[in-house]
Amino acid sequence: DTGVSQNPRHKITKRGQNVTFRCDPISEHNRLYWYRQTLGQGPEFLTYFQNEAQLEKSRLLSDRFSAERPKGSFSTLEIQRTEQGDSAMYLCASSPRGYDQPQHFGDGTRLSIL
Amino acid sequence: GIQVEQSPPDLILQEGANSTLRCNFSDSVNNLQWFHQNPWGQLINLFYIPSGTKQNGRLSATTVATERYSLLYISSSQTTDSGVYFCAVERVWTSYDKVIFGPGTSLSVIP
Repeated sequence: DTGVSQNPRHKITKRGQNVTFRCDPISEHNRLYWYRQTLGQGPEFLTYFQNEAQLEKSRLLSDRFSAERPKGSFSTLEIQRTEQGDSAMYLCASSPRGYDQPQHFGDGTRLSIL
Repeated sequence: GIQVEQSPPDLILQEGANSTLRCNFSDSVNNLQWFHQNPWGQLINLFYIPSGTKQNGRLSATTVATERYSLLYISSSQTTDSGVYFCAVERVWTSYDKVIFGPGTSLSVIP
């Protein structure tokens, strides 16, 4: 297994622009999670996929945020009309089938809003 | 929603010392994991432990689900153990707060 891969590693953009991040989970992991982490805080759950189905979304996830996982493989997280408060590390994790499996995290995408 | 607390918030150890980190949670959960976030920001899974005791080298963890707490033991600490330790609880059937991380314990091991 090559691990969870996230791209880009860093993204700097101006307020109001749209950004998209990509997550490639570990092969054959059918469960995929997105989190957001700000400095000094633990990761905050954003959304969860089982295969291609988005099963759960946090109340933190405003309508400017959308996530997809076509064909149950890689996933994308898009933020529209970015705001200063969106600056954070965006983390992706995957886990195998079954509810008794640990999550494996990628290195994250750091978003900075100018 | 479910609350997750960790103690202590900060810990400084001399290399070679032992320590115990605690995670309390306010409601029943299906899964519990311990993670180490190293100074470079990487989150590494240490234990998946919804109940019982597990050991991995110098680290061990115990979860008492009926009393809603988990403990992480670090023995013979090394400088590479420095970083932030998070516990995270997961609930299978929930609408919003599927996975909740605690605030973390920041550990510094000094030579």
